[in-house]
Order: sequence, then structure tokens, then C-alpha cells
Amino acid sequence: DAGVTQSPTHLIKTRGQQVTLRCSPKSGHDTVSWYQQALGQGPQFIFQYYEEEERQRGNFPDRFSGHQFPNYSSELNVNALLLGDSALYLCASSPRAGAGLSETQYFGPGTRLLVL
Amino acid sequence: QKEVEQDPGPLSVPEGAIVSLNCTYSNSAFQYFMWYRQYSRKGPELLMYTYSSGNKEDGRFTAQVDKSSKYISLFIRDSQPSDSATYLCAMNRDDKIIFGKGTRLHILP
Repeated sequence: DAGVTQSPTHLIKTRGQQVTLRCSPKSGHDTVSWYQQALGQGPQFIFQYYEEEERQRGNFPDRFSGHQFPNYSSELNVNALLLGDSALYLCASSPRAGAGLSETQYFGPGTRLLVL
Repeated sequence: QKEVEQDPGPLSVPEGAIVSLNCTYSNSAFQYFMWYRQYSRKGPELLMYTYSSGNKEDGRFTAQVDKSSKYISLFIRDSQPSDSATYLCAMNRDDKIIFGKGTRLHILP
């Protein structure tokens, strides 16, 4: 079992650019959540996807958008990048939403994004 | 007031000591309480979760929840250098996980 995988591992972008991050969930998991972790902070919830739809959203602007594919993998897109978007972006997967979701989330290693 | 408060440390203790990590929270609606361990440049790893007041033990780790005081703790017995990491408390609300800032722990050999 490969667990949750994310790509790329590192990324450098400049202000105003757009970025796409990718996540493959753990085998048997169909729900994907995305988190942003700034340096020295805990992860902050961005949004969650289940059945190819956004189900929950945290306090992030519309510049942050996502997608889930039929194979349960997911993408996080960030438009018009700001310096403050520099962070570790974490993907977490879990089995069916609503069935003890929160306590069974497994995290990937993250994508470290640097915006210059 | 933040929903989840956690002292960022760093906390340094000698090998073999008992470690106590704590969080307080303000929202009575939280149902599940979790502890994650995060090594440098890695994603968080779920250590333990519980949903009721009281203690839950797993090997050298004990999670304690006091809902009346809105206070949770993680105890690590016989601490090892490999336990050096950042420990994040987390709680769920509406199927979102709310994390504390994390406490950096150093176990000194």
C-alpha cells in the first residue's frame, strides 16, 4: 500500500503565477482534504472533496480551487499567487465521508511551495 | 481567542523522561480529539484519537481528555531520541480538523 502520495515535492513560483498540486489517496479511500501549513503553524483546512464535489471549505479565497477525478485523485489549484501562499500543502485521504471521517485521515508528505 | 491553543515550545527533555504535551480548546462542539506527530519535512502521522473524556493508552503513549476543563494531554513514557518531532493536537468540527500550532519536542540522548 503506497499510502497518500503527492506531487511535486517542491515547487518555486513567482507572484501572480498559477500552480497545480496533485494528490493520490490511500488505497480504499475516496475522500480527499487539502491543508495549508505555514512555517511554525499547524495545518489549516482548505477544502474537502468527495464524489468529485467540494463538500466543505475553510476560510480560503476563491483563488484556491480544486478538483477530484473519478479515480479519487485530486488537484489543488492556486491562482494569482501571493508571497503569503508560500507553505507546505498537505493532502489527506480518508474512507467514505461521514463515516468517522476526521479521526481516520492519513496525510501525504506534502508539497513545499515557495513564492518569490 | 483561538479555537485550539498549544504551546509551540520547544520542549527539551532527557531520554527516558516522561513527556507531557497539552492543548486547550474553546469550542464545546468538538467531538474527536487527535494527536499527530510530524517529523521535519514530512506530513503529520496520526498517533492517537479519542472521543470521550478519560484516558486512552497505546504502548508508550497515553492520551487524556478532560471535556469539563476543555483540556487534552498526550503523555509519552520512556521517551526516546526518535520521539523528537513536532506534536500537533487536533479536533474535529463539522468534519473539518482544527489543528493546534504544534509543540516541538527534543529528546536529549
